[in-house]
Amino acid sequence: NAGVTQTPKFQVLKTGQSMTLQCAQDMNHNSMYWYRQDPGMGLRLIYYSASEGTTDKGEVPNGYNVSRLNKREFSLRLESAAPSQTSVYFCASSVPQGKGYQETQYFGPGTRLLVL
Amino acid sequence: AQSVTQLGSHVSVSEGALVLLRCNYSSSVPPYLFWYVQYPNQGLQLLLKYTSAATLVKGINGFEAEFKKSETSFHLTKPSAHMSDAAEYFCAVGARGATNKLIFGTGTLLAVQP
Repeated sequence: NAGVTQTPKFQVLKTGQSMTLQCAQDMNHNSMYWYRQDPGMGLRLIYYSASEGTTDKGEVPNGYNVSRLNKREFSLRLESAAPSQTSVYFCASSVPQGKGYQETQYFGPGTRLLVL
Repeated sequence: AQSVTQLGSHVSVSEGALVLLRCNYSSSVPPYLFWYVQYPNQGLQLLLKYTSAATLVKGINGFEAEFKKSETSFHLTKPSAHMSDAAEYFCAVGARGATNKLIFGTGTLLAVQP
């Protein structure tokens, strides 16, 4: 049971290049998330997917697209990278705890992205 | 809107001393509250969570947090710091009406001095 895995671990891009960050979970969780972490700003939600086939915008979606490929996989795409997208990206997943109960999120190890 | 505020972006303690990391929340409904820990170059790991079952919540690695409604606080404590506790700690609140969304604080970096 690997939990939440992310690839790549580290990536350097030039401005304007595109790339896809991959995330997979083996916990049979329904919901999956993409966050970015910047110094002094905590984690900010980019996109999330409550179930296979659905995606919704979070707090900072501009410049990103996502695909919920199946229940296990949730990818984040940068179509035209900008220096402002230099950050650490975390994927997470969660499962319902019961009606009205907050879901506990489990995080991957992160992808460090540098855009030059 | 719900939010959390973590007082002190950096906290330094001596090994063996009390650890106190502060978190205040804003919520118009009874909140769900979480503490996560992030070790260097790793993802976030759940330390503990408050779900209204008990106001004093015990977590992993000897940490605990007490929910105080009157003070809108959920401070994290550990009686005796260990060098391995050096990490960044995040407080989070469950988003109102969305049980699958969390709002994170800006984090507190804990340093433990020998």
